[in-house]
Amino acid sequence: GAVVSQHPSWVICKSGTSVKIECRSLDFQATTMFWYRQFPKQSLMLMATSNEGSKATYEQGVEKDKFLINHASLTLSTLTVTSAHPEDSSFYICSAIPDPTGELFFGEGSRLTVL
Amino acid sequence: DAKTTQPTSMDCAEGRAANLPCNHSTISGNEYVYWYRQIHSQGPQYIIHGLKNNETNEMASLIITEDRKSSTLILPHATLRDTAVYYCIVRVRNTGNQFYFGTGTSLTVIP
Repeated sequence: GAVVSQHPSWVICKSGTSVKIECRSLDFQATTMFWYRQFPKQSLMLMATSNEGSKATYEQGVEKDKFLINHASLTLSTLTVTSAHPEDSSFYICSAIPDPTGELFFGEGSRLTVL
Repeated sequence: DAKTTQPTSMDCAEGRAANLPCNHSTISGNEYVYWYRQIHSQGPQYIIHGLKNNETNEMASLIITEDRKSSTLILPHATLRDTAVYYCIVRVRNTGNQFYFGTGTSLTVIP
């Protein structure tokens, strides 16, 4: 299947700092990528849809100024958690669709811990 | 929002078939049924999808009822590595359409 890669796989930061997570489609171009967040023992929650060359679409209740998404190329989307706080500690997962009518492929996830 | 209902957890003996049910009674005519699984602390893995016909691949079989209101994922010979959370998702097959995850079924394969 298609390969989606995330970096870093884990990050620890101090409260108040910003953290950037990268999501790359390695063997295909993705005009659309999706960002999810997952808390322990819970399901994946869709945060936003990232669109290449345009603004991201955020799900209800997700702060767009808090979670900045940039999709500047067909193979890279970034999620920046600004002014991170302990409650932002979570597992962040990105995904992309190589075929316009196909299935979604996920990255390995990035675990954020805010101290 | 998720449109599926799945049992919270299930056990299955190693080597036996694991049958995971999913209820999607409000599914519309152009929505596909997708199955993914997530092993602890990893990104979800695609398993299989279908519209109305039964489907089979190297990982699993998908049985969709004639009225399409429910489906069953079958792992024919479960192994310990199949222990994971299994998610059933319904979605119109289009690039911009999101995948919304429900609560999933935690499958434990027992030796």
